[in-house]
Amino acid sequence: SAVISQKPSRDICQRGTSLTIQCQVDSQVTMMFWYRQQPGQSLTLIATANQGSEATYESGFVIDKFPISRPNLTFSTLTVSNMSPEDSSIYLCSVRQVYNSPLHFGNGTRLTVT
Amino acid sequence: ILNVEQSPQSLHVQEGDSTNFTCSFPSSNFYALHWYRWETAKSPEALFVMTLNGDEKKKGRISATLNTKEGYSYLYIKGSQPEDSATYLCASISDSWGKLQFGAGTQVVVTP
Repeated sequence: SAVISQKPSRDICQRGTSLTIQCQVDSQVTMMFWYRQQPGQSLTLIATANQGSEATYESGFVIDKFPISRPNLTFSTLTVSNMSPEDSSIYLCSVRQVYNSPLHFGNGTRLTVT
Repeated sequence: ILNVEQSPQSLHVQEGDSTNFTCSFPSSNFYALHWYRWETAKSPEALFVMTLNGDEKKKGRISATLNTKEGYSYLYIKGSQPEDSATYLCASISDSWGKLQFGAGTQVVVTP
């Protein structure tokens, strides 16, 4: 299975700043996703990162707030922009090789916004 | 049911005891049901992908069953060990895009 390196593993940020999270996979993968888990909530899909084109965002998530890049099949970044305390969450990168195969996850980024 | 729901939210188990918990999901337009284990400070790890009604899967002391007609899955842990302590997530797929809808998880704490 794919090995996924995600960084930073945690960060404490001030309100109004931005943080970019990186996700590096050790092999080329077709599907790459970004999830968020707010305290006490379910894992929620933010967007699908598309190689060479704009990400596909889920309802409630917009590109201005969560810009995503995916320059190739092994790397993606998620930026959390203009942060507020409500953005305090665990952010997870995940990949899937084929439809209906299980997801593989990075270790996550634990973000606290003060 | 419109969302994926897991119960209980948390449970404490004595080492050696067996336990089980539930995942309820929309039964219409069912494609698949996934189970994941998420240990603290680690990444979620896939346990099972289940697609057929009546399916039963087993991995060591952990097993799962699936009822797609009524929209539920049970996860069983036999002879719980402290290393089984984790949050167990289920996720259903209800569309052809393969999008997973996750439940909030069941946190299991196994005490020696």
